[in-house]
Amino acid sequence: EAGVAQSPRYKIIEKRQSVAFWCNPISGHATLYWYQQILGQGPKLLIQFQNNGVVDDSQLPKDRFSAERLKGVDSTLKIQPAKLEDSAVYLCASRGDGEAFFGQGTRLTVV
Amino acid sequence: KNEVEQSPQNLTAQEGEFITINCSYSVGISALHWLQQHPGGGIVSLFMLSSGKKKHGRLIATINIQEKHSSLHITASHPRDSAVYICAALLGSARQLTFGSGTQLTVLP
Repeated sequence: EAGVAQSPRYKIIEKRQSVAFWCNPISGHATLYWYQQILGQGPKLLIQFQNNGVVDDSQLPKDRFSAERLKGVDSTLKIQPAKLEDSAVYLCASRGDGEAFFGQGTRLTVV
Repeated sequence: KNEVEQSPQNLTAQEGEFITINCSYSVGISALHWLQQHPGGGIVSLFMLSSGKKKHGRLIATINIQEKHSSLHITASHPRDSAVYICAALLGSARQLTFGSGTQLTVLP
């Protein structure tokens, strides 16, 4: 069974630039999560999708962050414009009826 | 206050020691994950449990639903066990997956 795929693995951008991350969940998993993990902290939920609908985006900074899962499969997370404090690992996870599976994450550095 | 609390934040042990990492949560959950994260960010799920106890090799996870508490034990610890261990709980009807803050484990040879 293929795992959760994320790309890119690493990204370095200047502040005020835009960036997008991509996640391909495990086939058939209805629930998809995006997390932000700042160095030394646990992951913080940004947004949770159930199929193509948003279940929870209460912690998503909507002035600069957006996410979509148009066909209920792949998802993209965008930051526009990026700030220095957005430097973090962005993790994607998916879940069917049971266990959650996690991608390798995208490490973003904003300079 | 986080809904999922983990302790200790940092743990250093000598090779061979028995290790315990604790996780407590404040609301009802449907299941709890124990996860391992190595430098580089990738997360591996070690266990998912909703009751009782699970064992895999030198790793044991227990959960007490009434006390809202789970523990991860590592027997005969080894330097290769050095990693961040995180508990994550499936909360509420929306099955929100909420993480603890993680425990940085260092096992010294």
